[in-house]
Amino acid sequence: EIVMTQSPATLSVSPGERATLSCRASQSVSSNLAWYQQKPGQAPRLLIYGASTRATGIPARFSGSGSGTEFTLTISSLQSEDFAVYYCQQYNNWLLTFGGGTKVEIK
Amino acid sequence: EVQLVQSGAEVKKPGESLKISCKGSGYSFTSYWIGWVRQMPGKGLEWMGIIYPGDSDTRYSPSFQGQVTISADKSISTAYLQWSSLKASDTAMYYCVRPGSSDAFDIWGQGTMVTVSS
Repeated sequence: EIVMTQSPATLSVSPGERATLSCRASQSVSSNLAWYQQKPGQAPRLLIYGASTRATGIPARFSGSGSGTEFTLTISSLQSEDFAVYYCQQYNNWLLTFGGGTKVEIK
Repeated sequence: EVQLVQSGAEVKKPGESLKISCKGSGYSFTSYWIGWVRQMPGKGLEWMGIIYPGDSDTRYSPSFQGQVTISADKSISTAYLQWSSLKASDTAMYYCVRPGSSDAFDIWGQGTMVTVSS
C-alpha cells in the first residue's frame, strides 16, 4: 500500500496570503495525484487531478505541482471560502490511498 | 447533470445488517466505476473499494475486504454498500464516488451517515 503523508497538519494563514500544502508518497505515483477540498458538513470536492490540472470550475488561484513522490498544492491568495481541509490522493494503482489531510485555518 | 444520490441516514444496533445505496444519473452508469469512501467522525478519508457496474468487477481495500460487500444493480443505476453484522466502529459517514476519465473522484454523493449504537 502506498502511504500518503501530508504536511503540515494545520496551516494558519491570513486572508490574501499564499498557502503551500505538501503531500509525499511512500513510492512513486507518477502524476496520478489528486487534491480535494472539504468544508464542514460537505462532501469533498475535486480541485486538482493529474497533479496539476484544475478540475472544472476551480479558480485559477489553486495550482498543483510535482510528480513521483513529492507534490504541492498552492493557493495563491486565500479567500474566506478557502478555509477548509485539503486531502491528497494517489490513484496510481487500484489500491487508492488518501493523505491524512491539512486543515487551513484563519490566522 | 451528473450526480450520485445516496440513501438517508441510518441508526442501527450492533450485530444488525445494513445496505445503503447510491443512485447515479446523468451519465452512462455501466461505463464508470463507482467507489465507496469512509469518513469516521472527525477523521480523514479512507477508500473502501470500487465496482464496475458494467461487469460487476469489484476491488476492495485490504482494510475492508471481508468486512463489507459492494454490489450494483445496473438495471436501476444503483450501487450498494452492505454489512452483515455492524459494529460500533462502523459509525461513520459513507460517500459514494465516481472516478472520471482522469481516474480522480470527480463526482461525490452527498454522504450517508451510519450510526451504530446499542
